[in-house]
Amino acid sequence: NAGVTQTPKFQVLKTGQSMTLQCAQDMNHEYMSWYRQDPGMGLRLIHYSVGAGITDQGEVPNGYNVSRSTTEDFPLRLLSAAPSQTSVYFCASRPGQGMGNQPQHFGDGTRLSIL
Amino acid sequence: DAKTTQPTSMDCAEGRAANLPCNHSTISGNEYVYWYRQIHSQGPQYIIHGLKNNETNEMASLIITEDRKSSTLILPHATLRDTAVYYCIVRVGTNAGKSTFGDGTTLTVKP
Repeated sequence: NAGVTQTPKFQVLKTGQSMTLQCAQDMNHEYMSWYRQDPGMGLRLIHYSVGAGITDQGEVPNGYNVSRSTTEDFPLRLLSAAPSQTSVYFCASRPGQGMGNQPQHFGDGTRLSIL
Repeated sequence: DAKTTQPTSMDCAEGRAANLPCNHSTISGNEYVYWYRQIHSQGPQYIIHGLKNNETNEMASLIITEDRKSSTLILPHATLRDTAVYYCIVRVGTNAGKSTFGDGTTLTVKP
């Protein structure tokens, strides 16, 4: 049981490049979310999904796109990377279906640098 | 979701109990209190959660006041490995409830 798997672990991009951060979970969790964490700060919610085909914006959605075509996967896309998006990105999942009070499980993060 | 207020930092002596407070004065009746911690830059780790009763597990105890406006996370015998940032989060316990993290409390356990 791998839990929440994020790839890649590290990435360096040039300004204007695009990339997709991958997140997969094998726990059949309905709810998935993406956070970013800047140095010395807490986590800020970017986008979240309550099930396949359903996504919504969090606190800081600008510059990021998401989609949820399967229960297992929730990729985060940067269409045109900017230095302000340099951060550590965490993906999390938790159950739904009447178990919504259960806690989130987090991945190990993707450390992204935009030059 | 209700906002939470935590002290920026706290120290604790190794082997002593660490008591981390959290204020959530605007909490609603269907919102749970969750505690996570983050060691270095790893992904946050779940510790404990509760609705209105006190809770205990192998890691910690959670004490929620009767009016539910504040709570305390207790690490009964802190070790150096408990040095981390501790986050208190309040959210609705349904499929739609989303978690908002503040800046947390940096707990430093000293020898």
